[in-house]
Amino acid sequence: EPEVTQTPSHQVTQMGQEVILRCVPISNHLYFYWYRQILGQKVEFLVSFYNNEISEKSEIFDDQFSVERPDGSNFTLKIRSTKLEDSAMYFCASSYRQGEYEQYFGPGTRLTVT
Amino acid sequence: GNSVTQMEGPVTLSEEAFLTINCTYTATGYPSLFWYVQYPGEGLQLLLKATKADDKGSNKGFEATYRKETTSFHLEKGSVQVSDSAVYFCALTILFNNDMRFGAGTRLTVKP
Repeated sequence: EPEVTQTPSHQVTQMGQEVILRCVPISNHLYFYWYRQILGQKVEFLVSFYNNEISEKSEIFDDQFSVERPDGSNFTLKIRSTKLEDSAMYFCASSYRQGEYEQYFGPGTRLTVT
Repeated sequence: GNSVTQMEGPVTLSEEAFLTINCTYTATGYPSLFWYVQYPGEGLQLLLKATKADDKGSNKGFEATYRKETTSFHLEKGSVQVSDSAVYFCALTILFNNDMRFGAGTRLTVKP
């Protein structure tokens, strides 16, 4: 069964450093998403991406964040200058259509900012 | 706005006990409803879904019925197993909307 993959599984970085989290969505999906889950809290939407541009973003997704689909398979989330409060589990998801169709989630990347 | 409210956890049950995890929603549109499960150390897996009123989603012995009149989508299982120990998230999406809204999650522990 096709699945969403994410790398790395765990990333440790120092405050102020740039990080890039990588995702490979399911190959025939058209919509891509990033979510985060701070330890013990709910899963929060960050951004959605369709047709090579951001289609929606939350207030969390500020200028420190950016997303890119550099080729036909990868979907990346960049945090320009990490802060302690960026420590969280980051989930990538993809779906064939938006709205009522389920989103398929990757296993997550745990980001630890020290 | 669109949101999901989920029963607070944690929930601890003995094996073969009946499980109910309550979920209610508010939505400006006509939502699709989902239950996701997160096993220890893993990502989110879709457990079941329902896309219209009175639909019943089911999978692995779990069931949930989309109740528009009570804006609810409660998760039930007749006889839980130790392997069901996980965190369960209720979620919704709205047609032509891009973000999935999650509840806070309910941690279930099943003891032998």
